[in-house]
Amino acid sequence: NAGVTQTPKFQVLKTGQSMTLQCAQDMNHEYMSWYRQDPGMGLRLIHYSVGAGITDQGEVPNGYNVSRSTTEDFPLRLLSAAPSQTSVYFCASSAGQEWDTQYFGPGTRLTVL
Amino acid sequence: GENVEQHPSTLSVQEGDSAVIKCTYSDSASNYFPWYKQELGKRPQLIIDIRSNVGEKKDQRIAVTLNKTAKHFSLHITETQPEDSAVYFCAASGAGSRLTFGEGTQLTVNP
Repeated sequence: NAGVTQTPKFQVLKTGQSMTLQCAQDMNHEYMSWYRQDPGMGLRLIHYSVGAGITDQGEVPNGYNVSRSTTEDFPLRLLSAAPSQTSVYFCASSAGQEWDTQYFGPGTRLTVL
Repeated sequence: GENVEQHPSTLSVQEGDSAVIKCTYSDSASNYFPWYKQELGKRPQLIIDIRSNVGEKKDQRIAVTLNKTAKHFSLHITETQPEDSAVYFCAASGAGSRLTFGEGTQLTVNP
């Protein structure tokens, strides 16, 4: 069981570039989510999915797109990177009930120049 | 939507002392309150959680208390050790599994 995996671990982009952060889980979890973590601001929800084919916006969705074509994968796309998107991005998954533990991936550290 | 406030933002204690971190939440529909520990450069990891039908839960040196009427919950760490040094996050979850996190508490345990 690899749990929740994320690639890449580090990424540097130039303003205006696009890229996809990958997230996969092998626990057959229905619920998956993306957070960004900035110093002093905790973890803020970007987008989430309660199952394949279903996605919804979180607290800070602007500038990001997601899709959920399979249960295992939940990629996060940056459409046109901006310096304000410099952050650490965490993917998480859970079985889907509100009291189920959310397991986090190792994170992707993104810098936008 | 839900709003979670966490205090203090930094906490420094001597080894062996107790540490208490407090959180308040706004949405009375929230029913699940996990606490995560994040070491430097690592992912957040669940250390304890509590559901709304329980007032207190303990796991060795860690305990969480919940007051649903006042909408606040607290993390208590007893007999602190240097390895307890980390950032601790509280969170609240209602229907749909959406977690709203507090801003974190940097706990430092001095030997």
